[in-house]
Amino acid sequence: EAGVAQSPRYKIIEKRQSVAFWCNPISGHATLYWYQQILGQGPKLLIQFQNNGVVDDSQLPKDRFSAERLKGVDSTLKIQPAKLEDSAVYLCASSLASSAGELFFGEGSRLTVL
Amino acid sequence: GENVEQHPSTLSVQEGDSAVIKCTYSDSASNYFPWYKQELGKRPQLIIDIRSNVGEKKDQRIAVTLNKTAKHFSLHITETQPEDSAVYFCAPRGGNQFYFGTGTSLTVIP
Repeated sequence: EAGVAQSPRYKIIEKRQSVAFWCNPISGHATLYWYQQILGQGPKLLIQFQNNGVVDDSQLPKDRFSAERLKGVDSTLKIQPAKLEDSAVYLCASSLASSAGELFFGEGSRLTVL
Repeated sequence: GENVEQHPSTLSVQEGDSAVIKCTYSDSASNYFPWYKQELGKRPQLIIDIRSNVGEKKDQRIAVTLNKTAKHFSLHITETQPEDSAVYFCAPRGGNQFYFGTGTSLTVIP
């Protein structure tokens, strides 16, 4: 079974530039999560999708971050314009359903904002 | 959202000793209590979980205990090995969201 795929693995940009991350969850997983993990901290939930609908985006900085999950499969997370404090690893995870147990994480996309 | 705390934040043990990490949470409606292990530069991976109708669960050298009344659950690792060195996160589920703790960095000294 293929795992959660993310790209790019690494991205370096200057502040005020834009960046987009892509995630392909495990086939059949209805729930998709984007987490931000700053060095030395635990993952922080940015947004949670159930199929193509948003379940929770209360911690997403909506003035600069956006995410979509068209057709309930792949998802993209965009940051525009980026700030220095956005430097982090962006982890995508999926699960069978919101009420299901295990989260399956991708390898993450490491963003460095200069 | 859920307020999740882990203690200790760092832990060093000699190989073969036991390690215990405690997670406290605030949402009394939480019903699922997993522990994730994250090795340096890798993704978090589930190592053990417990549901609210069970007090303890064991899987070889790893166990999790739950005290719902006191709103905490703990990870127990016995006979620690160098490959247990990693950061461990608890992530209790409140509603349909998972809130990760701040992490515990475990170092097992050979």
